[in-house]
Amino acid sequence: AQKITQTQPGMFVQEKEAVTLDCTYDTSDQSYGLFWYKQPSSGEMIFLIYQGSYDEQNATEGRYSLNFQKARKSANLVISASQLGDSAMYFCAMPGDTGFQKLVFGTGTRLLVSP
Amino acid sequence: DTGVSQNPRHKITKRGQNVTFRCDPISEHNRLYWYRQTLGQGPEFLTYFQNEAQLEKSRLLSDRFSAERPKGSFSTLEIQRTEQGDSAMYLCASSLSLAGPTDTQYFGPGTRLTVL
Repeated sequence: AQKITQTQPGMFVQEKEAVTLDCTYDTSDQSYGLFWYKQPSSGEMIFLIYQGSYDEQNATEGRYSLNFQKARKSANLVISASQLGDSAMYFCAMPGDTGFQKLVFGTGTRLLVSP
Repeated sequence: DTGVSQNPRHKITKRGQNVTFRCDPISEHNRLYWYRQTLGQGPEFLTYFQNEAQLEKSRLLSDRFSAERPKGSFSTLEIQRTEQGDSAMYLCASSLSLAGPTDTQYFGPGTRLTVL
């Protein structure tokens, strides 16, 4: 079964600096994808970025980029030029056994951005 | 383009009561999902609809839980005879199934249930 591991319960970063949030995964599928979501204190899960296992280039969306290392089964999220509004929980996720109909999430990393 | 909406946002109930939550997906999305999130954890999948058909249910979805999507648009999640262990955030998501592998789920703000 698919499994997502996020080993950093909390991370601190100063405003305008870059930060990397770790995610490792376990799957026997040959074709899969990795998602990152942001969850502010309001509770809504906000989609940030997606990377497919066969995508050759690392995905980027504005200040978010995904450092995808397939051999190491890691899909770390890099946030450049952190902003105060980036303070939130961040979850890594991937499709479960039945494909994209079910996402399996990690336990999340709480990011705190300080002025 | 409105996002996924959920009502109510908060619900406090006494143990043993029934509760019902509603989710309105993004209008053109044909897939709808329910997840449950407890404190300190990531969301856990409960069930999924493609149009009006409920195609998958998690083992987490006990007999006290029932979900419907009668016309393939909004969905309801009912919990009967609530227990304190049902206290959680209930998240709804929707997606548009595409021919390719990417099927991004967009989430609503959630309904926070507290069972006293």
